[in-house]
Amino acid sequence: RKEVEQDPGPFNVPEGATVAFNCTYSNSASQSFFWYRQDCRKEPKLLMSVYSSGNEDGRFTAQLNRASQYISLLIRDSKLSDSATYLCVVLMDSSYKLIFGSGTRLLVRP
Amino acid sequence: GAGVSQTPSNKVTEKGKYVELRCDPISGHTALYWYRQSLGQGPEFLIYFQGTGAADDSGLPNDRFFAVRPEGSVSTLKIQRTERGDSAMYLCASSLASHNEQFFGPGTRLTVL
Repeated sequence: RKEVEQDPGPFNVPEGATVAFNCTYSNSASQSFFWYRQDCRKEPKLLMSVYSSGNEDGRFTAQLNRASQYISLLIRDSKLSDSATYLCVVLMDSSYKLIFGSGTRLLVRP
Repeated sequence: GAGVSQTPSNKVTEKGKYVELRCDPISGHTALYWYRQSLGQGPEFLIYFQGTGAADDSGLPNDRFFAVRPEGSVSTLKIQRTERGDSAMYLCASSLASHNEQFFGPGTRLTVL
């Protein structure tokens, strides 16, 4: 079983739609959680960290459920420029090794 | 300021050849990481440097892979006797210290024919 699992998609949504991605992780010792965005043939870039209390950054909301070992990302009012692969990332306590999921691909159409 | 840079951006080689991939971290970043990303997968950790020393090389797949960072800045990932299965995007990242945000370079796309 992979340490971090994501639905690969693609999620194909119209502009303005709300879309949600989920991610599960297997190691209960995981302490830090992130969403990265990766454009085609580019490097991953940090989108946002995920906190137990949930956090919001503009149109993006991330939630963490430690009991279910589940992380989510909600994108409201999708833009064409949101089209990318979204990578769920986990970090163990006192570690530096980012553990990536395989990514969920989002396509926003006009 | 300048971000992480990697050269070459693309490398095509033949099975059995030796390749070197270079990473220039952000100035002042003491921690440097190499990851490998295969098509359709997320990046996977290869090796971590703190300063000049390889603090953790547990992700290197076998002894054909080796990396150095002799002066604590630029790092080189070296692959001997390349195999077709080595074809992937090799990403370098750096951070101010080991538990700070990692910034990724644009990667080197390696193709082994």
